[in-house]
Amino acid sequence: DQQVKQNSPSLSVQEGRISILNCDYTNSMFDYFLWYKKYPAEGPTFLISISSIKDKNEDGRFTVFLNKSAKHLSLHIVPSQPGDSAVYFCAASPNAGNMLTFGGGTRLMVKP
Amino acid sequence: GAGVSQSPSNKVTEKGKDVELRCDPISGHTALYWYRQSLGQGLEFLIYFQGNSAPDKSGLPSDRFSAERTGGSVSTLTIQRTQQEDSAVYLCASSPHINTGELFFGEGSRLTVL
Repeated sequence: DQQVKQNSPSLSVQEGRISILNCDYTNSMFDYFLWYKKYPAEGPTFLISISSIKDKNEDGRFTVFLNKSAKHLSLHIVPSQPGDSAVYFCAASPNAGNMLTFGGGTRLMVKP
Repeated sequence: GAGVSQSPSNKVTEKGKDVELRCDPISGHTALYWYRQSLGQGLEFLIYFQGNSAPDKSGLPSDRFSAERTGGSVSTLTIQRTQQEDSAVYLCASSPHINTGELFFGEGSRLTVL
């Protein structure tokens, strides 16, 4: 029973365009959401987070949107750069500080 | 370095053997997590330590898996009588007591069971 799902295993975009990565969750107790980025042979690194009291959080080229009624969040990267090519995991927790439940990841490829 | 350190980085073992994977968390971080990533899969939670509290072992897939954390710092994940389905990258992460939800991951230990 996957509580956090990333339905697109891969995404390919052109450099300079927008990348949109999607994530759905089923557990209504989740109220804190994070995105992690993972390069090959490295551990995941934290990218951006959002609390359920917000519907948008922005950090430079990265913006996370949260739609609580739809139990859906998305990560927008604009403009996309080749260095953004990585696997992106969304994660959720019932409260900040508790253990995270991760999605299956989406491999993003940004083509020059 | 100052990050989470894991060893060994790669381990190849024969089915039925026991393996130990080690994690050195970031100094001062009270929470420590073990996850694993099987080929083509997401991150699967295994076990969570927080300070001196009893660990949350709810993610351990079988009784062949165990973990301990000595002195509130270094952790060892032990897999007994390894099976081929145990092959995965085992990732350790730590976080400070006042947690924003951000975990700091090590580079992982890749386990291959032949």
